[in-house]
Amino acid sequence: DQQVKQNSPSLSVQEGRISILNCDYTNSMFDYFLWYKKYPAEGPTFLISISSIKDKNEDGRFTVFLNKSAKHLSLHIVPSQPGDSAVYFCAASGYSSASKIIFGSGTRLSIRP
Amino acid sequence: ETGVTQSPTHLIKTRGQQVTLRCSSQSGHNTVSWYQQALGQGPQFIFQYYREEENGRGNFPPRFSGLQFPNYSSELNVNALELDDSALYLCASSAADRGRETQYFGPGTRLLVL
Repeated sequence: DQQVKQNSPSLSVQEGRISILNCDYTNSMFDYFLWYKKYPAEGPTFLISISSIKDKNEDGRFTVFLNKSAKHLSLHIVPSQPGDSAVYFCAASGYSSASKIIFGSGTRLSIRP
Repeated sequence: ETGVTQSPTHLIKTRGQQVTLRCSSQSGHNTVSWYQQALGQGPQFIFQYYREEENGRGNFPPRFSGLQFPNYSSELNVNALELDDSALYLCASSAADRGRETQYFGPGTRLLVL
């Protein structure tokens, strides 16, 4: 039973345009959400997070939106750059088990020139 | 400040054998988490150690065990290896035990079980 779902295994976006990566979750006890980025042969790198008390968090070109009623979050990258080509993982944790982070299966983002 | 390092980078074992994977935490971090990432999947939480004590465990059998040392380095031990244990094993360190601090991942150890 996948508690964190990334339904798009891959996404291709033109350089300079907006990339939107989506994530759905099923566990209503999740209250903290994260996005990680992974290049080949490297470990995942933390990108941005959001607490359930917020609906938006922004850091430079990256913005995460949280819709608690829909149990949905998205990562927006504007403008997309070639170095953004990587696998992006959505992840979540709940306050009662904050040490346990549940990851989605990832979306491979390709930025084309 | 050094990042998270893992050894070895690659490992080949046969079914039934035992394996030990090692992780050195980032300087100043007292918490380490281990994950298993199968091909095409996201990392799956195995367990976390805080100050040498287990602090949370995922849905993995007892043949997956760990240790954290006083210098906060860590080991993941897997006994009686099965073919399905073939995966990338990632460790991540952080500075708190509640998991809310950013976890910094190492590059992983790729294990192949034949």
